Amino acid sequence: KNEVEQSPQNLTAQEGEFITINCSYSVGISALHWLQQHPGGGIVSLFMLSSGKKKHGRLIATINIQEKHSSLHITASHPRDSAVYICAAHRMYSGGGADGLTFGKGTHLIIQP
Amino acid sequence: ETGVTQSPTHLIKTRGQQVTLRCSSQSGHNTVSWYQQALGQGPQFIFQYYREEENGRGNFPPRFSGLQFPNYSSELNVNALELDDSALYLCASSYQGSTDTQYFGPGTRLTVL
Repeated sequence: KNEVEQSPQNLTAQEGEFITINCSYSVGISALHWLQQHPGGGIVSLFMLSSGKKKHGRLIATINIQEKHSSLHITASHPRDSAVYICAAHRMYSGGGADGLTFGKGTHLIIQP
Repeated sequence: ETGVTQSPTHLIKTRGQQVTLRCSSQSGHNTVSWYQQALGQGPQFIFQYYREEENGRGNFPPRFSGLQFPNYSSELNVNALELDDSALYLCASSYQGSTDTQYFGPGTRLTVL
């Protein structure tokens, strides 16, 4: 079982729909990142959070530390939101040196006009 | 614009050869992480450099090595290339490691024949 699990793997929706992507993790973390990857590889950081909720434009990210769960929401979705959305966890520092991010497999989102 | 650049964009090598990939971090960032992303998979952490010292490593063999220079640009070197090394190689820079916002480069697509 992966340490970071995302659902759904694929999501197709109509323009204007409210989108939710879920991320669950099985290890203690110090931060959770939501990233967006477009075809061709470029990755853009959307959010980094360790508690609560963050909002940027039409995007909202929440995290529940007790339940080890985070969600990314997109309101009023638009075809330009079509991309792969990835959650990535930074594991709690173990004292043995820095860890990089542990990535989920991503959610392929397609917004149809 | 992230300010993180990588070179080359694409590279084709043959099995057994050696390759050097380069990353120029965003100005002011003293931490760089390297990731390998196989086709259809999430990125996997290779290692992280902080102020020219390796301070964390993922599950990659020693033939994957790196350098970070005083200007915080960095290199990823891979010796004795194998077919499975074909992937997109991403670098990400930040000011304070994986608990800080990550700025990703566009990646280098390596093909090993």
